[in-house]
Amino acid sequence: QVQLQESGPGLVKPSGTLSLTCAVSGDSISSNHWWTWVRQPPGKGLEWIGEIHYSGYTNYNMSLKSRVTISIDNSKTQFSLSLTSVTAADTAVYYCARSPRYWGQGTLVTVSS
Amino acid sequence: DIQMTQSPSTLSASVGDRVTITCRASQNINKWLAWYQQKPGQAPKLLIYEASSLQTGVPSRFSGRGSGTQFTLTISSLQPDDFATYYCQQYNSYWAFGQGTRVEIK
Repeated sequence: QVQLQESGPGLVKPSGTLSLTCAVSGDSISSNHWWTWVRQPPGKGLEWIGEIHYSGYTNYNMSLKSRVTISIDNSKTQFSLSLTSVTAADTAVYYCARSPRYWGQGTLVTVSS
Repeated sequence: DIQMTQSPSTLSASVGDRVTITCRASQNINKWLAWYQQKPGQAPKLLIYEASSLQTGVPSRFSGRGSGTQFTLTISSLQPDDFATYYCQQYNSYWAFGQGTRVEIK
């Protein structure tokens, strides 16, 4: 059974960098899949952030592209999200996913001083 | 980018009602559409994938139809556990989500 688990700081200061990791179990991160990040601001809808293939190819939401980096660590079976220059608008629950079927439980990141 | 338009945004219904939610894609996404149910504080739960395939463990009162640009999610007989928010999602080209439909008690 594929399982994903997000981890990272729950509080980030404005203008700082949000960094999250998604640990993958039950599947090889080198399998032929795209590994995805999605976020959901409190009380709002779901927003696709971007995705990475094990080969290193990435695709990003154009609205976030200038601030987002998704990377993959094959040796640790995990992939990561970095979002720079954060503001309060980046406060959200962040989810990692592999296909529509497998999602992490999500982690709340609050941007506040 | 593909835009997903979901309607209605809110739906008031009673237990036992048949309810239908509509999702429209801004361009052809073939069958690459999923439906999710989300309750407060929980991650989205996959109900339907490939437009009409029922995810394992999901009650048969949920069904999905459509292809191309027009899709529907139908709950044949609304149950108390079904009051939640529902999202459509295309995964033909990257991912994009509808705005969500909140199903509330009438």
